[in-house]
Amino acid sequence: DVKVTQSSRYLVKRTGEKVFLECVQDMDHENMFWYRQDPGLGLRLIYFSYDVKMKEKGDIPEGYSVSREKKERFSLILESASTNQTSMYLCASSLGRGFGETQYFGPGTRLLVL
Amino acid sequence: QKEVEQNSGPLSVPEGAIASLNCTYSDRVSQSFFWYRQYSGKSPELIMSIYSNGDKEDGRFTAQLNKASQYVSLLIRDSQPSDSATYLCAVKTAGYSGAGSYQLTFGKGTKLSVIP
Repeated sequence: DVKVTQSSRYLVKRTGEKVFLECVQDMDHENMFWYRQDPGLGLRLIYFSYDVKMKEKGDIPEGYSVSREKKERFSLILESASTNQTSMYLCASSLGRGFGETQYFGPGTRLLVL
Repeated sequence: QKEVEQNSGPLSVPEGAIASLNCTYSDRVSQSFFWYRQYSGKSPELIMSIYSNGDKEDGRFTAQLNKASQYVSLLIRDSQPSDSATYLCAVKTAGYSGAGSYQLTFGKGTKLSVIP
């Protein structure tokens, strides 16, 4: 079974803080993704990575950065958290280009920025 | 602009009926299509994937794809209260950098309610 884990289920931060969200997958997947999900807006892609140290912007990268130093770990960084970044953050992974596109999701981190 | 459109619902069906969920997409070159189910407060989980025109059946679920009409649907037969969830349609689209990168573009989801 594919397992994708996220470092926190719930997180409360203050405006201006630097926030790290971590995601780990245990199936040697090539691709990893970060989404945010908001009522009425659906699931939106922030960043993704198809290899170690590689990253690509998704649809809404502004205000975020990512890091992938190891294959199994993909971090999302909010350099200076703002209230409009309050959301549910979902990490996903998939096997790799040409080999498997099904994305498996972690349990999500609900972030509240005060 | 890549778009995936779904009726937001809620779609209410009685227990035992067929639930029909629809999705249209804008990217004509899309080749891979997915249906995810998301229970309230949980993360999405894959129900089915479909790549070729026609029907694909898996238990009570049938996915239908018509690439010419850019339309994909999910039928749930003998609907159960446990099927009550939001169903997300996802379409594989090219990433912004091209060069073979891809991403999934998700619709906003259809909320299904199965009434006992």
